[in-house]
Amino acid sequence: QKEVEQNSGPLSVPEGAIASLNCTYSDRGSQSFFWYRQYSGKSPELIMSIYSNGDKEDGRFTAQLNKASQYVSLLIRDSQPSDSATYLCAVNIANTPLVFGKGTRLSVIA
Amino acid sequence: DAEITQSPRHKITETGRQVTLACHQTWNHNNMFWYRQDLGHGLRLIHYSYGVQDTNKGEVSDGYSVSRSNTEDLPLTLESAASSQTSVYFCASSDFQAEQYFGPGTRLTVT
Repeated sequence: QKEVEQNSGPLSVPEGAIASLNCTYSDRGSQSFFWYRQYSGKSPELIMSIYSNGDKEDGRFTAQLNKASQYVSLLIRDSQPSDSATYLCAVNIANTPLVFGKGTRLSVIA
Repeated sequence: DAEITQSPRHKITETGRQVTLACHQTWNHNNMFWYRQDLGHGLRLIHYSYGVQDTNKGEVSDGYSVSRSNTEDLPLTLESAASSQTSVYFCASSDFQAEQYFGPGTRLTVT
């Protein structure tokens, strides 16, 4: 059974702080890793993808992957109230559908 | 711009009726997926397709069917709607790199 685990939250951070979202996965054969943002009442939106160990930065977002520990994280620097949403972690093994975590709800307090 | 659309956006139907939800993508992606999302369960995969004439069951496929006659469309049919199928339904598509892009969703209520 392939599993992706996330803390459901809510994770509350003050405006301007760094938000750290974490995800663990069970299948060591996982190859591709994604973070989606979902605002209430909207569809998931892809914000980051990462395929190899280390950090990947895109604006205020940094994805971190550690395959040995089966751990992927998303850091949001200078958090804004507009970042308040549910963040979904998704993991892929080649030729199989993505496996999604249930998401972490982030609340950025102004 | 390429996009993925779903219709209708909202649907109310009665128990026992057949319902079809449409999904259309202009990304030219081979892979298409249907999910339902309910509070406490996250996204659950219903059916998926890796190309024309290819369909596969996901974890919650009972009571649902799909067919893929072209690259752009993957309609989802509820054979006999049940109250347990009240949910928000999302369609998604991806290329070989597995980055999935989601449609806006259909909110289905079965009364």
